[in-house]
Amino acid sequence: AQKVTQAQTEISVVEKEDVTLDCVYETRDTTYYLFWYKQPPSGELVFLIRRNSFDEQNEISGRYSWNFQKSTSSFNFTITASQVVDSAVYFCALSEETSGSRLTFGEGTQLTVNP
Amino acid sequence: EAGVAQSPRYKIIEKRQSVAFWCNPISGHATLYWYQQILGQGPKLLIQFQNNGVVDDSQLPKDRFSAERLKGVDSTLKIQPAKLEDSAVYLCASSRPRDRAGYGYTFGSGTRLTVV
Repeated sequence: AQKVTQAQTEISVVEKEDVTLDCVYETRDTTYYLFWYKQPPSGELVFLIRRNSFDEQNEISGRYSWNFQKSTSSFNFTITASQVVDSAVYFCALSEETSGSRLTFGEGTQLTVNP
Repeated sequence: EAGVAQSPRYKIIEKRQSVAFWCNPISGHATLYWYQQILGQGPKLLIQFQNNGVVDDSQLPKDRFSAERLKGVDSTLKIQPAKLEDSAVYLCASSRPRDRAGYGYTFGSGTRLTVV
């Protein structure tokens, strides 16, 4: 069965600090997809990134970067030089090839960036 | 491109009452999903439609929840009768048929249900 664990329930940082959000997943499939979503106070889920299980290359997009390590089943998300607008709940999610389009989400990490 | 539309935005009902939520997906998106997000938790899939057929409803509490997508476009999710533990945000999402395994999802803003 697929499972996603985000051990950090809440993180609080001061603006301009770097912050890493952890995500550990479990799956029996060899083909799977990993995602990060942002949920601001308004409630909608905003897509940030997806990765397939065959692509372990790390990715950087502006202040965001992602570190995918199959050996430890982790897909961590780092925000560099955090800003107040980054305050939100961040979800890691997993989709298995054999489970169709179903997304299994972690419990989320509430990130608060203080000025 | 217009996003996924959901209504109402908020709903407060008493336990044992019934309630219905509506979702209109992005035009051309044949796949539609309903997720339930309880406060402090991640969203959980309730039901997935492909056009007007059900693909996955394994996590839908069928004794009280029902959903339909009669014309393969918009969808309605109903709860009857509601329980206190049904208080949650109900998120609708849609994707294109060729989008696989979570790709191409677009989520609506959700309906926040409070059962008192």
